[in-house]
Amino acid sequence: GESVGLHLPTLSVQEGDNSIINCAYSNSASDYFIWYKQESGKGPQFIIDIRSNMDKRQGQRVTVLLNKTVKHLSLQIAATQPGDSAVYFCAETANFGNEKLTFGTGTRLTIIP
Amino acid sequence: DAGVIQSPRHEVTEMGQEVTLRCKPISGHNSLFWYRQTMMRGLELLIYFNNNVPIDDSGMPEDRFSAKMPNASFSTLKIQPSEPRDSAVYFCASSPRTGRDQPQHFGDGTRLSIL
Repeated sequence: GESVGLHLPTLSVQEGDNSIINCAYSNSASDYFIWYKQESGKGPQFIIDIRSNMDKRQGQRVTVLLNKTVKHLSLQIAATQPGDSAVYFCAETANFGNEKLTFGTGTRLTIIP
Repeated sequence: DAGVIQSPRHEVTEMGQEVTLRCKPISGHNSLFWYRQTMMRGLELLIYFNNNVPIDDSGMPEDRFSAKMPNASFSTLKIQPSEPRDSAVYFCASSPRTGRDQPQHFGDGTRLSIL
């Protein structure tokens, strides 16, 4: 999830289908991960988080998967709705008393009606 | 519950002017963060406070930028003098307490345009 350069990856999904948004991170010391959703004109909104001692966590219609071996994080959104259209960011921190988050570049998700 | 409140929502001013952005964190949150978001650089952390004390200001671009947190419910980010390259969306975020595994909650930002 390095935040450099900003050609935003895009993903278009049919309404009602599932979507998967991926994020690669580079810091092997990262131990806490968060997914945020940002709609136009608004701030990033917390969706779900996961600690490094877990490999899966589920919320309402969302699931986060963590693969520490390959330093990969994914966000699965089930039964997508038009309101899911937004930019999704992953964020990570090596949180040993340090709260600095490193944000990825983001993925723009568009739900096709 | 009220979220993080930022003001103004939009600011347009001429270069050289002083700009002050304001933030009210969520009540009870001990940590406050200022970010800047641009198309070129994405979301960048500028500075963060724990219990009103600045902890890390390594992201502050230069001496023209300063931030204060006089009490637990208010923070300001000031740019003086402002330049066109400061144009961006500035976000404030807060989190419940210091230490591990606390998600940050963001305000809706101040869109700053320096002419």
